[in-house]
Formats: sequence, C-alpha cells, structure tokens
Amino acid sequence: GAGVSQTPSNKVTEKGKYVELRCDPISGHTALYWYRQSLGQGPEFLIYFQGTGAADDSGLPNDRFFAVRPEGSVSTLKIQRTERGDSAVYLCASSLGQVNPRSEQFFGPGTRLTVL
Amino acid sequence: AQKVTQAQTEISVVEKEDVTLDCVYETRDTTYYLFWYKQPPSGELVFLIRRNSFDEQNEISGRYSWNFQKSTSSFNFTITASQVVDSAVYFCALSDNRGANNLFFGTGTRLTVIP
Repeated sequence: GAGVSQTPSNKVTEKGKYVELRCDPISGHTALYWYRQSLGQGPEFLIYFQGTGAADDSGLPNDRFFAVRPEGSVSTLKIQRTERGDSAVYLCASSLGQVNPRSEQFFGPGTRLTVL
Repeated sequence: AQKVTQAQTEISVVEKEDVTLDCVYETRDTTYYLFWYKQPPSGELVFLIRRNSFDEQNEISGRYSWNFQKSTSSFNFTITASQVVDSAVYFCALSDNRGANNLFFGTGTRLTVIP
C-alpha cells in the first residue's frame, strides 16, 4: 500500500486478556517503530526494528509487552494480561532505515486500544 | 537525557492571523535532529520538517516557516495567514545521534483556527 497500515483500528478488550496489534509498513522501509500515545500526550517510543531484529526495545514498559517482525516487513505488537493503564493509541511508523538513517518516519493511523 | 517542551497547550486564532508554536529542547548530544509533525483530527501524524543540529538556516515552505536557534535551544514554527484546515495538534520532536533514531515528542500544542 501507499502508506503505513495498522489493524485493527479499534480494539476493546477486558482486563487480563491478550491482544495483538498489527503494522504493515511502507514497502521497502527497513526500519519500523512502535509508539504509544496516551490521551493528551505526545507519542512515546516503545521499540525499534531494523530488519527482523529489535535494535532498541528500551521503551517497552514491562515484560507483558513484546513485538516481533519475523520477515522484516509486517510487525505485531503483543500485550499479555492487559491492564486498564494499557489503554492508549498504539502508533506504528516506518522509515528507510539504514538506506537513509535520518529519513523521516511515516506514521500509520494507529490502533486505539481500550481495556475495560 | 532528551526532553522536548511545548509550553503552549492550546492556542486559538482567527482565520488569516499568523501564529507561532514554540518548542524548546534539551539534549547532551552535539548532533541531533528536530522535527515537527501535525496530527489532524483524523489522528494520523503528518511529517512537516526535519532539521539537523548543524543547519541553523531558517526554512520557509509556503505558509509555514521554522526558526531554529541553537543558542536558546528552540525550534519554533510559524504559520502565516492561518486557515481552518490548519486546526490540529502539532508536535515537536527530537532524535538523538544513537542508532535507534527514535523520536522524543513534546506534549503537543492544539491549534484551533476560528473561521
């Protein structure tokens, strides 16, 4: 597709459940980022992939959060035992990565996660 | 540590007025990058500009202009002759010189342009 796509656009779950959020980056972009945006705040970095490997996962809040990118394209953010505090918009972004390390990041529309 | 401060939480202007959005940053790196993103009501962040720390030239793109002043650690954004379509939340962001290139965002400024 032309831009970064994320599915689902909205996800409502119950406390304690497991969720998966999907990101499909722009074709040819080797770098992929996950951010979390709480209401009224700016996005906060979670994890960065260069290719298939997580180059920096320092932003993941705890071990309930995990992300994969097995083929270097689509990425899945996984949250176990969800808590109400996990409610936020989860944003995915991609960029050219090593091709142009300082190229801008293009963001997807986000997945709004609500934990009841 | 990286920090971006956008002191203006909300701004309202009447259409055709000029408006400046402030951004102050903190970093210990000598090489860094500054960005502005626009987040319209649809929610998708739209890239506006990237500036590296060695380039202090001001930039103009149509009705948008940016004033980078290293001496005051500021990277302000001015919209000239504002339009209703400019209504959005605007984020300033900083990227350091580490390999990750992850962005540190400010808390954003909500701009409302009144017709």
